[in-house]
Amino acid sequence: EIVLTQSPGTLSLSPGERATLSCRASQSFSSSYLAWYQQKPGQAPRLLIYGASNRATGIPDRFSGSGSGTDFTLTISRLEPEDFAVYYCQQYGSSPLTFGGGTKVEIK
Amino acid sequence: QVQLVESGGGVVQPGRSLRLSCAASGFTFSAYAMHWVRQAPGKGLEWVAVISYDGSNKYNADSVKGRFTISRDNSKNTLFLQMNSLRAEDTAIYYCARDPVAAVQRGYFDSWGQGTLVTVSS
Repeated sequence: EIVLTQSPGTLSLSPGERATLSCRASQSFSSSYLAWYQQKPGQAPRLLIYGASNRATGIPDRFSGSGSGTDFTLTISRLEPEDFAVYYCQQYGSSPLTFGGGTKVEIK
Repeated sequence: QVQLVESGGGVVQPGRSLRLSCAASGFTFSAYAMHWVRQAPGKGLEWVAVISYDGSNKYNADSVKGRFTISRDNSKNTLFLQMNSLRAEDTAIYYCARDPVAAVQRGYFDSWGQGTLVTVSS
């Protein structure tokens, strides 16, 4: 099973700042099959990025994904008030599908 | 638009059974693989099971193997999760989620339901 480790656990930033979230895999997997999700309290997760760098439909371009192999990054270029949430990475290159433990982006 | 609505959650004693349903609308349900993903209170996400678009292939996480069964009724646009021998550690919100590409199983989730809470407690 591929273990995904997200860091930091909590990121305290102000609106307008840049957020950089990390997701590291315990082993490499197929073809950058990595997704990122955003989850707000009381809501279901929402797909942001798939294939490591492809934005899902309707996702603003301030969200970008990068990386390959075992190291992946989600960047939010300028934080908007609605971006404060928990973010999860997920790999789908190897069975079983696994998620990282999440990074909480909170208002500083 | 895509809509997924889970139901069937509740409080159940350890060792008992529960069946979850997920009613789908707004897309051709029979063309998409479907998943169950769960989230224990205050915790992260855990993939539970997947079923292919036609129901011919199913896979479970090891944590539920032999106890949970995923199924679907394409004539009724409904996904199911039969949960037997429930344990306290199965307590979670259970989400149904759609695989994003018709007729192909990718393994990520482009649409989610609002979830249904299952509490296993005596």
